[in-house]
Amino acid sequence: DAGVTQSPTHLIKTRGQHVTLRCSPISGHKSVSWYQQVLGQGPQFIFQYYEKEERGRGNFPDRFSARQFPNYSSELNVNALLLGDSALYLCASSLLGTAIEGFGQGTRLTVV
Amino acid sequence: GQSLEQPSEVTAVEGAIVQINCTYQTSGFYGLSWYQQHDGGAPTFLSYNGLDGLEETGRFSSFLSRSDSYGYLLLQELQMKDSASYFCAVRDPMDSSYKLIFGSGTRLLVRP
Repeated sequence: DAGVTQSPTHLIKTRGQHVTLRCSPISGHKSVSWYQQVLGQGPQFIFQYYEKEERGRGNFPDRFSARQFPNYSSELNVNALLLGDSALYLCASSLLGTAIEGFGQGTRLTVV
Repeated sequence: GQSLEQPSEVTAVEGAIVQINCTYQTSGFYGLSWYQQHDGGAPTFLSYNGLDGLEETGRFSSFLSRSDSYGYLLLQELQMKDSASYFCAVRDPMDSSYKLIFGSGTRLLVRP
């Protein structure tokens, strides 16, 4: 069984640009969550989607947005990139309400 | 609010036993999870404690005391490959998103 897959694996962007990150959940999982992990810190919750509806949003500015598609895949969009957005962006999928989440390998975003 | 505290770094010798502690403050509680993350990799699930007591999975064990808001991860027969960052995480049941809140991580260095 394929795990959570994310693309691209690495990305370099310039300040002010926008970026779209993609995630495909584990087969059968209907919930997708996005986390940002800055070097040396634990992952920070950004969004959760379940059945295409936003279920939760972390303390991130409106420059961050996401959506979930009918096949349960998801996109995370970040506009007007700042240097501080440089981080590992992790996608996790789960059967809603379970304690276990499978994480993707992440997208390493570098903003220069 | 929710917060978790864990030591930033622990060093141990190959073959030894190491304990990584985690204390938490949450407005609600729905179990304590542990994740392992190697440099450049994704967090992988290790263990979950929903009730007080010890959970054992091979060389790894995890303990929870809800009355003390405290848990620990115990790694036995340490191997070099155990060198990684370890995160404790809680899920707030008061939040419909069931987001995971992570500690800042403990970096474990296993020496020969």
